[in-house]
Amino acid sequence: AQSVTQPDIHITVSEGASLELRCNYSYGATPYLFWYVQSPGQGLQLLLKYFSGDTLVQGIKGFEAEFKRSQSSFNLRKPSVHWSDAAEYFCAVSPAGTALIFGKGTTLSVSS
Amino acid sequence: DADVTQTPRNRITKTGKRIMLECSQTKGHDRMYWYRQDPGLGLQLIYYSFDVKDINKGEISDGYSVSRQAQAKFSLSLESAIPNQTALYFCATSDAGTSGRSAEQFFGPGTRLTVL
Repeated sequence: AQSVTQPDIHITVSEGASLELRCNYSYGATPYLFWYVQSPGQGLQLLLKYFSGDTLVQGIKGFEAEFKRSQSSFNLRKPSVHWSDAAEYFCAVSPAGTALIFGKGTTLSVSS
Repeated sequence: DADVTQTPRNRITKTGKRIMLECSQTKGHDRMYWYRQDPGLGLQLIYYSFDVKDINKGEISDGYSVSRQAQAKFSLSLESAIPNQTALYFCATSDAGTSGRSAEQFFGPGTRLTVL
């Protein structure tokens, strides 16, 4: 069955430090992959997506993610975190014939 | 104006009451979805619809029903609300991608429902 795992429930990063959020998926075919961000009290906003082609994709707000087929991973990165990046982050995969499947999310806290 | 709107934004109701949550979109997408979000559980799919005549159950459809009134409207009903249906509910829309997959989903702002 298709699934998405985000191993880290909560991460704290110092402002200005680099960030990597992990995402592993289980899906037999070439996946569509997504990262969404949810700020407190808000809906979900798409950060970036991977459909095919270049395995390093750029998104909004300075985020990027790299698709690694051999590791079934799609990790999200940012070189320098800002306090406004504190939010919950969701990885998702789009299997055929149904809706997106989401991971359980990683909460990012930013310390000053 | 928002592309995906949900009404109401907040609702408090009592056990046993019938509740309808409404979703409208102006993105022209065929596919629409309802999710619920509980802390620590991520988003759980309740129902989804790939076009007006297509309705499908998600992983947690028990206790819920839906109606796709038009391409732009998708309503979620709780026929007899119970306290463990207290949650944040999201509507989303998408285009179809290739090979039967959905392209990125666009989310509404959510409805916070409390069942007492």
